[in-house]
Amino acid sequence: DAMVIQNPRYQVTQFGKPVTLSCSQTLNHNVMYWYQQKSSQAPKLLFHYYDKDFNNEADTPDNFQSRRPNTSFCFLDIRSPGLGDAAMYLCATSRDQGDNQPQHFGDGTRLSIL
Amino acid sequence: AQSVTQLDSQVPVFEEAPVELRCNYSSSVSVYLFWYVQYPNQGLQLLLKYLSGSTLVKGINGFEAEFNKSQTSFHLRKPSVHISDTAEYFCAVSWGANNLFFGTGTRLTVIP
Repeated sequence: DAMVIQNPRYQVTQFGKPVTLSCSQTLNHNVMYWYQQKSSQAPKLLFHYYDKDFNNEADTPDNFQSRRPNTSFCFLDIRSPGLGDAAMYLCATSRDQGDNQPQHFGDGTRLSIL
Repeated sequence: AQSVTQLDSQVPVFEEAPVELRCNYSSSVSVYLFWYVQYPNQGLQLLLKYLSGSTLVKGINGFEAEFNKSQTSFHLRKPSVHISDTAEYFCAVSWGANNLFFGTGTRLTVIP
């Protein structure tokens, strides 16, 4: 089945130690998104790629970066994680840009900061 | 300002009873509307969407929602819930920013 796969499901890192979360998709979708979801809150969009074009949300901290080396893969890099960055990180894809495009989500990576 | 409101943060309901999860939005432009479900420790799964046409939309797992433009609502309903419906439900709206804006979620708990 075509899917959005996130690895790892659980990630533990130390305060200030860089960490990378990965997302891959077999849907061949043009758009890939990264969301941050803190406990009991709605997902919050960090940024998205339309093909190779990167679109950062205005309030996404500089500590968060992303890379999309090819259509299938997208990475979320947190350069210096703080305690407030502990959250579930969700990757999603959509076939194209546009308001009518449903998004397909992975199961997320739960990040803990020690 | 545009917004999405889910009035009920938690909804407990007995098994086989009907349920309605409320969603209201505020927008001066046309919108597309979605409901997503999130099971514990999983990502979001699309339940249903309203893009245009019939205002009554049927989704997966026996859920349906009705778009009411005059009341700016998109309430989710199911006539008979099952234990497996216990999850977090998010209403989401898209209104021209190429992004989804989520409500704060409603936790549905089905009681045996």
